[in-house]
Amino acid sequence: SQTIHQWPATLVQPVGSPLSLECTVEGTSNPNLYWYRQAAGRGLQLLFYSVGIGQISSEVPQNLSASRPQDRQFILSSKKLLLSDSGFYLCAWSVRDSTPAFFGQGTRLTVV
Amino acid sequence: SQQGEEDPQALSIQEGENATMNCSYKTSINNLQWYRQNSGRGLVHLILIRSNEREKHSGRLRVTLDTSKKSSSLLITASRAADTASYFCATDSGNTPLVFGKGTRLSVIA
Repeated sequence: SQTIHQWPATLVQPVGSPLSLECTVEGTSNPNLYWYRQAAGRGLQLLFYSVGIGQISSEVPQNLSASRPQDRQFILSSKKLLLSDSGFYLCAWSVRDSTPAFFGQGTRLTVV
Repeated sequence: SQQGEEDPQALSIQEGENATMNCSYKTSINNLQWYRQNSGRGLVHLILIRSNEREKHSGRLRVTLDTSKKSSSLLITASRAADTASYFCATDSGNTPLVFGKGTRLSVIA
């Protein structure tokens, strides 16, 4: 069966520090991968998605970047965090865009 | 950008009652999906309804889709305290990632 791992679950980082969130998927090949951000009490904002290794589409210009170094690994990064980067970050995968998405448990990032 | 808009934003009901949440969207879709999110957790897929379907059932869940009105509803029958969560609709417009609404926060009071 397929599983998705996302870590860490919580993270407190100072302003200006770097960020690296990792997401891995097991049990499937060539998944579509997604990073979403959810502000408190709000909906999900799509940040990045990838349909293959090295293929990254950015939905919102911002202080973040994403990389897909391996088929089932998706990394969200920042060189210098801003206060506004605080939020709940969710990684997800799907077979293709029109199929259900499966989410990780999320990372609660607080930038202080 | 967000396409789906859920209504109401928050809903509080007694255990055993039915809960109805609505979703409106703006552009044509291939399918519409509903997800559930427990507080501080990831989203869980509940049900998918295709654009050529009008109604779908899964256990205590009933989803309807009206493409002429660009709207969908999620009905949870005989609600339980464990149904307390946020519910999101998400639209698939073909060859693009899912676009999620802002969600409805459902509280079921025992």
